Amino acid sequence: GNSVTQMEGPVTLSEEAFLTINCTYTATGYPSLFWYVQYPGEGLQLLLKATKADDKGSNKGFEATYRKETTSFHLEKGSVQVSDSAVYFCALWMDSSYKLIFGSGTRLLVRP
Amino acid sequence: DVKVTQSSRYLVKRTGEKVFLECVQDMDHENMFWYRQDPGLGLRLIYFSYDVKMKEKGDIPEGYSVSREKKERFSLILESASTNQTSMYLCASSPGRAGAFIYEQYFGPGTRLTVT
Repeated sequence: GNSVTQMEGPVTLSEEAFLTINCTYTATGYPSLFWYVQYPGEGLQLLLKATKADDKGSNKGFEATYRKETTSFHLEKGSVQVSDSAVYFCALWMDSSYKLIFGSGTRLLVRP
Repeated sequence: DVKVTQSSRYLVKRTGEKVFLECVQDMDHENMFWYRQDPGLGLRLIYFSYDVKMKEKGDIPEGYSVSREKKERFSLILESASTNQTSMYLCASSPGRAGAFIYEQYFGPGTRLTVT
């Protein structure tokens, strides 16, 4: 079946450090891929998306590239801020299943 | 901005009680969803609805039911709460099938339910 695997957290970084959160997927067909972010006390919100291979999604300094050959969609940011502390969820969407499939989430802690 | 509200942020219930979790969205979205969020398991879909009075089972519907009598409101019902239903419950909505952004879901802040 379709699934998403994320690196376990927490990921702890100092401010201005480089961030990578790994995400790989298993899917029959060609999914769309997403990163959602959940700030403390809030619901999830869409951070970025990519709907086909080699697409790069970007938002708020975060980027992720849809790599079909490695079935990956790793999230990166060049310089993290304390305000980026949150839980990040990788997800995929298949039109055939009409639902989002989420990874287990990765908590990011950024220290001043 | 899309707003999805949930009736309670925190709820404590006893085993065997009937529990209602309410969700309201204000953007005229066709689709609504209920998830539960547990550490290490991410979000798991309980039920969803793509129209009034329509419902579809998600991945873990056992022990739950839903009701959608009005487009803006989607209720999750625990008929007889059990301790293994202690969790964070998240409601979401998204625009209809005809749109290009049906996968973009808007989430409420969640209800943390504790069953004792």
